Amino acid sequence: GDSVTQTEGLVTVTEGLPVKLNCTYQTTYLTIAFFWYVQYLNEAPQVLLKSSTDNKRTEHQGFHATLHKSSSSFHLQKSSAQLSDSALYYCALSEVSNNRIFFGDGTQLVVKP
Amino acid sequence: DPKIIQKPKYLVAVTGSEKILICEQYLGHNAMYWYRQSAKKPLEFMFSYSYQKLMDNQTASSRFQPQSSKKNHLDLQITALKPDDSATYFCASSQPGQGQDTQYFGPGTRLLVL
Repeated sequence: GDSVTQTEGLVTVTEGLPVKLNCTYQTTYLTIAFFWYVQYLNEAPQVLLKSSTDNKRTEHQGFHATLHKSSSSFHLQKSSAQLSDSALYYCALSEVSNNRIFFGDGTQLVVKP
Repeated sequence: DPKIIQKPKYLVAVTGSEKILICEQYLGHNAMYWYRQSAKKPLEFMFSYSYQKLMDNQTASSRFQPQSSKKNHLDLQITALKPDDSATYFCASSQPGQGQDTQYFGPGTRLLVL
């Protein structure tokens, strides 16, 4: 079946340093879209990035991710973490025709001063 | 103005009772969803509706019944409540058929079953 794997449950990074959140997937679908959602404390998840193009870098709010179908990955990165980036991050994939979204288990990012 | 409204924001219920969670979206979307988030499972898909028809049901228990009275409404009826049902329930919506269908989430209803 389809699945999204986020290997780290918790990532702690010092403000100003780079951060990388890992995301790999398994899918049998041919036409797929990928998302990173961010959820701040006591708020709803909101989309941060989305992509469906292989090997194309997608950027938003200082974060970037590149879909690599060859390695089944869609890692999220930022060159300089900010305190306000502390949140829960979900990687997700959807099959375009049925819009079912598969979420990973989430990675809690903590940025410390 | 909020685009997706969920009511109530907080809900306390007793075991065995029945509650209805309300969701209305004003994004003009034709697809709506319910998700559950608890400490045990971070974000769990429950149902999807498209044009007021059930498309996908990943909830094992029949105690959870979605109800769509209007195109922009998708309520969730929960019967015979159990303490394990305690969670935050998120409603979401999207516009299918436009490629990368982003789902937009409502603020959630926090349910506590005692």
